[in-house]
Amino acid sequence: KAGVTQTPRYLIKTRGQQVTLSCSPISGHRSVSWYQQTPGQGLQFLFEYFSETQRNKGNFPGRFSGRQFSNSRSEMNVSTLELGDSALYLCASHRSGGYGYTFGSGTRLTVV
Amino acid sequence: ELKVEQNPLFLSMQEGKNYTIYCNYSTTSDRLYWYRQDPGKSLESLFVLLSNGAVKQEGRLMASLDTKARLSTLHITAAVHDLSATYFCAVEDAGGTSYGKLTFGQGTILTVHP
Repeated sequence: KAGVTQTPRYLIKTRGQQVTLSCSPISGHRSVSWYQQTPGQGLQFLFEYFSETQRNKGNFPGRFSGRQFSNSRSEMNVSTLELGDSALYLCASHRSGGYGYTFGSGTRLTVV
Repeated sequence: ELKVEQNPLFLSMQEGKNYTIYCNYSTTSDRLYWYRQDPGKSLESLFVLLSNGAVKQEGRLMASLDTKARLSTLHITAAVHDLSATYFCAVEDAGGTSYGKLTFGQGTILTVHP
């Protein structure tokens, strides 16, 4: 079966711009979680969506937002980009009521 | 707040040797996961441990879980170069509102030398 698909793989943006990242979960999985990975802070939870509703949120500023569509695809948006937002952004697909999280290949965001 | 700590953070091993990575967590948890990450790549699932005393093995890797001690171990047997990677443990909070949230350890960078 197809895995978790994240697009784009790489992005270079300028400070102050905004960016939108996309994640398509495994077919049948309705939960999508987002994580930020940086060398300094490690892997940190951003938020989780299930059936188009945000159920959980990490400790990130309001510049980080997300949404989920009826087909379970999810997007995350970062507005007013800062240099510190440069990171690998990973999404994970999860079958609600089950266990196991499958991660996508990630989007490498570089803010210059 | 759930905290997860791994040690060691850096591990340099010779091929053929055995070693163990430890993962301690601070609160009650239902589930513990081990992932592998190669440089610039995503997270590859290795093991899911769901209950006290759970032990899982795949090739040269074996993971175990002691929920009473809040400790999981990842044991490497007869290391080979292909095992060089960063290994993460991650814990899913037992709380009812922990939807989709894994709390990760800092990661252990494993390098296997000839």
